Amino acid sequence: QQQVKQSPQSLIVQKGGISIINCAYENTAFDYFPWYQQFPGKGPALLIAIRPDVSEKKEGRFTISFNKSAKQFSLHIMDSQPGDSATYFCAASGTDSWGKLQFGAGTQVVVTP
Amino acid sequence: GAVVSQHPSWVICKSGTSVKIECRSLDFQATTMFWYRQFPKQSLMLMATSNEGSKATYEQGVEKDKFLINHASLTLSTLTVTSAHPEDSSFYICSAMGGGIETQYFGPGTRLLVL
Repeated sequence: QQQVKQSPQSLIVQKGGISIINCAYENTAFDYFPWYQQFPGKGPALLIAIRPDVSEKKEGRFTISFNKSAKQFSLHIMDSQPGDSATYFCAASGTDSWGKLQFGAGTQVVVTP
Repeated sequence: GAVVSQHPSWVICKSGTSVKIECRSLDFQATTMFWYRQFPKQSLMLMATSNEGSKATYEQGVEKDKFLINHASLTLSTLTVTSAHPEDSSFYICSAMGGGIETQYFGPGTRLLVL
């Protein structure tokens, strides 16, 4: 049973548009929520992460929005570029997990020129 | 950011043979390393957690006698797939953690094809 549910499965956005990916979790012990970017044949790379004490975190064109009461968090990619075409995974971990990450199913993002 | 390497990046082997995959943290000491498996167009599934100098902890459903993990030093963990079969063909990814979870970094992955 997947502990972190991610949607949509895939996304096509035009260059310059906004990509939005959503994740939901049930385990209230989760306290670390990272997003990873993965290109074909490569390992995932950390994009941005958030803790539940803040509702939003922005790093460049990437923003995480976090809603603790709804147990949801989302990734917004502003001004999407063709180079952003990749698979994005949300994940979650708790203090009792000793670093173990529970990954969402992934979202394949395609940015058209 | 910190660098984690894996070797080999690609391996093809015959059914029944064993394959060893190395995961190294190049510029930091990793107290904990994790091994994941990823099938095509699927998510990463945690296989096991290894801590330096102690036995690995395997996730439910992962055969510990088939996937042998050795974390011999603070910079090296190895995954050995014993008696590999075609269904073991997958993308194996390690991650290394030097301190808190924010210091967890992933390797580039190893593609295993068992014929």
